[in-house]
Amino acid sequence: AQSVTQLDSQVPVFEEAPVELRCNYSSSVSVYLFWYVQYPNQGLQLLLKYLSGSTLVKGINGFEAEFNKSQTSFHLRKPSVHISDTAEYFCALDTGGFKTIFGAGTRLFVKA
Amino acid sequence: ETGVTQSPTHLIKTRGQQVTLRCSSQSGHNTVSWYQQALGQGPQFIFQYYREEENGRGNFPPRFSGLQFPNYSSELNVNALELDDSALYLCASSDGTGYEQYFGPGTRLTVT
Repeated sequence: AQSVTQLDSQVPVFEEAPVELRCNYSSSVSVYLFWYVQYPNQGLQLLLKYLSGSTLVKGINGFEAEFNKSQTSFHLRKPSVHISDTAEYFCALDTGGFKTIFGAGTRLFVKA
Repeated sequence: ETGVTQSPTHLIKTRGQQVTLRCSSQSGHNTVSWYQQALGQGPQFIFQYYREEENGRGNFPPRFSGLQFPNYSSELNVNALELDDSALYLCASSDGTGYEQYFGPGTRLTVT
């Protein structure tokens, strides 16, 4: 069975500081990996995705993530965060079937 | 291009009642997935519809059922509501390629 573990439930960080949100996954088959962002009272918006090819994936709003197959990780990074990045972030995987599996989420709180 | 829309925005029901939630998929998308997001958790896959047929199902009981219509809009029906059904219900549509899903804003269901 596949699973996604987000290692931090909350990450507080000061504005303009770098941030890393950690995601590990478990799967016996090849995976496709995603990061979504959810702002309060809204649905999910895709930040970036890894399907194949380069392990460094760049997404919207200055975020990037690196797929590490040996570590089974897909950590999300941003070199300098803004107040507006305060939101819930979800890591997710798909094995090419019909089901997307989400992690429990990481609450990013950017402080002034 | 119209995004994914869901109705109603909020809903309050009593235990034992039945509820129908609605989703209009993004133009050109033939696949709709439904997710349940309990407070403080990640979305859990309920089921997926592709061209009016159920394409896969998560670990939800049969009292969760759905439909997809010829215009690819969709309904989620929940019978015999339980208190634990209180959650944000998210609909996501896709074109069946690229694994990218577009989420609606969700319907907040409260069961009392």
